[in-house]
Amino acid sequence: NAGVTQTPKFQVLKTGQSMTLQCAQDMNHNSMYWYRQDPGMGLRLIYYSASEGTTDKGEVPNGYNVSRLNKREFSLRLESAAPSQTSVYFCASSVQGYGEAFFGQGTRLTVV
Amino acid sequence: DQQVKQNSPSLSVQEGRISILNCDYTNSMFDYFLWYKKYPAEGPTFLISISSIKDKNEDGRFTVFLNKSAKHLSLHIVPSQPGDSAVYFCAASGDSGAGSYQLTFGKGTKLSVIP
Repeated sequence: NAGVTQTPKFQVLKTGQSMTLQCAQDMNHNSMYWYRQDPGMGLRLIYYSASEGTTDKGEVPNGYNVSRLNKREFSLRLESAAPSQTSVYFCASSVQGYGEAFFGQGTRLTVV
Repeated sequence: DQQVKQNSPSLSVQEGRISILNCDYTNSMFDYFLWYKKYPAEGPTFLISISSIKDKNEDGRFTVFLNKSAKHLSLHIVPSQPGDSAVYFCAASGDSGAGSYQLTFGKGTKLSVIP
């Protein structure tokens, strides 16, 4: 079982470039999330999708957009990357949002 | 404002002894609490959870205690093993409106188990 798959695993962007981080889960989960992890800051929620067709802002949504393409896929887009967006990004999913969430392996993004 | 707080950034414990990791929360709407373990270059993995209707949950060497009146939970690892060395995140969940739930994480505690 693949679980939660994120692509790419590593990415270097120049300031102002755009990119989309992809996430797919094969567990038939309803809820999906995007987090970022920065040193000393823990995991902070960027956006989440409680169910297919809905998305909501989390704690740190500025500079990001998301798309819940279908039940399996939830993408995160950086329209104009900034050095402050250098971070490790994690996608996660859960059955209903209440309870255990399963995480992907992460995407390490560097914006220069 | 941090709703889930892990005030100890790091903890060192001798192999075989007990590790106690602490977590405090401020939001009274939280009713489900989880601990995650994270190794470098990997995603967090679920370790153990507890519902607000309980005050203790045990799974092998891992026990989580919940004190609702103090808004405090702790993770006990007994006996600690070198393979337990990782960053441990406390997380809390509650209805953020219209039946929508999301996990709020603490900043993590880095546990080092010394052989």
